[in-house]
Amino acid sequence: EAQVTQNPRYLITVTGKKLTVTCSQNMNHEYMSWYRQDPGLGLRQIYYSMNVEVTDKGDVPEGYKVSRKEKRNFPLILESPSPNQTSLYFCASREGYSGNTIYFGEGSWLTVV
Amino acid sequence: SQQGEEDPQALSIQEGENATMNCSYKTSINNLQWYRQNSGRGLVHLILIRSNEREKHSGRLRVTLDTSKKSSSLLITASRAADTASYFCATTGASGSARQLTFGSGTQLTVLP
Repeated sequence: EAQVTQNPRYLITVTGKKLTVTCSQNMNHEYMSWYRQDPGLGLRQIYYSMNVEVTDKGDVPEGYKVSRKEKRNFPLILESPSPNQTSLYFCASREGYSGNTIYFGEGSWLTVV
Repeated sequence: SQQGEEDPQALSIQEGENATMNCSYKTSINNLQWYRQNSGRGLVHLILIRSNEREKHSGRLRVTLDTSKKSSSLLITASRAADTASYFCATTGASGSARQLTFGSGTQLTVLP
């Protein structure tokens, strides 16, 4: 079954404590991306990757890092989380470039206190 | 920056009625996609319409695209309570850049039994 798997699904953490949200896809997709979803703002892209070792900033990259060492994995790293990063995060993947369906993970609820 | 803007922000209808949601965007697109999101869950792809298409159907869904007005509409016919969800349009820019999948802030549809 085609899947994008994120972990953890729910996390409460404290300001400044580094955390990583993992994302893995089993479809051999080249393109992967992270979004955050906030009320009234829709989904905003944080980072994306077009292939292994190729990453680029989206619209709201500040405070986040990513890496793409393997095709299937695209972790999102918050080096020093702050309360304004409290949000619902989605990982997504897609085959190739534009024009193809994007598959989303189930989301990770992150609260920074 | 947000490309797609859905209208209305919220829509409440009775089961069996049709639901129409609109999406407007600002720049030229390669394609436009509609997604559905149940509360707190990941987004599920519904339908994709390319810039050279004017209308597409999938089951009870009908999507239209008017590139001269930079707008699209999603029609759900004979709605059911299970259609209650948020609906998002997402556009891919005409330049073909992999990053340019931009989401609107969504329409919250409530179908009353």
